[in-house]
Amino acid sequence: QSALTQPASVSGSPGQSITISCTGTSSDVGSYNLVSWYQQHPGKAPKLMIYEGSKRPSGVSNRFSGSKSGNTASLTISGLQAEDEADYYCCSYAGPIIRFVFGTGTKVTLL
Amino acid sequence: EVQLVESGGGLVQPGGSLRLSCVASGFTFSTYWISWVRQAPGKGLEWVANINQDGSEKNFAAPVKGRFTISRDNAKNSVYLQMNSLRAEDTAVYHCARDYDRTYSFGYWGQGSLVMVSS
Repeated sequence: QSALTQPASVSGSPGQSITISCTGTSSDVGSYNLVSWYQQHPGKAPKLMIYEGSKRPSGVSNRFSGSKSGNTASLTISGLQAEDEADYYCCSYAGPIIRFVFGTGTKVTLL
Repeated sequence: EVQLVESGGGLVQPGGSLRLSCVASGFTFSTYWISWVRQAPGKGLEWVANINQDGSEKNFAAPVKGRFTISRDNAKNSVYLQMNSLRAEDTAVYHCARDYDRTYSFGYWGQGSLVMVSS
């Protein structure tokens, strides 16, 4: 099972919106609406930002939103802020054999 | 407050073994699946294994199948990852994680335990 494909880096100016893509296959992203997104700051554990494609856990800012089209999921961060600089990973449920597959990760930087 | 604390990491030679522990608190441990997720230095996240509530169902990622085993002791609120035949590519920080609200996601993470495989 290959990792889901994400852009290595995405950048934006404060206040702008950015979108991170996460491309899988018909066996994972395309088959299940079970994509989750994680934010990870250096030296820290990952933090859940989106689950089941578009739902936000309690306490996560509504500047973060998720969507899916076909085999590609997306995370949009609106009103970019300094604290959003981090690595972001998508993850999809991939069925009863493979279980979970993570994305390659995207580094978000502010211009 | 949900807490997960890993221990047991360290330096081990190729071919060696190591057992990681994850102690949980702040929730009814026996009612949740628990996963292990690892991250090699400077690399991305990789799901490793998970175990169901009573330990009767276990799943493993292809790279560790046949070498790693997972178990739990609900009386001790603990999950264990037994790692055998370790390879250099197993070097990583190993996190235990619990789902968020019984969904297919990882809502709670431990800080991780570093495993280094080197001669």
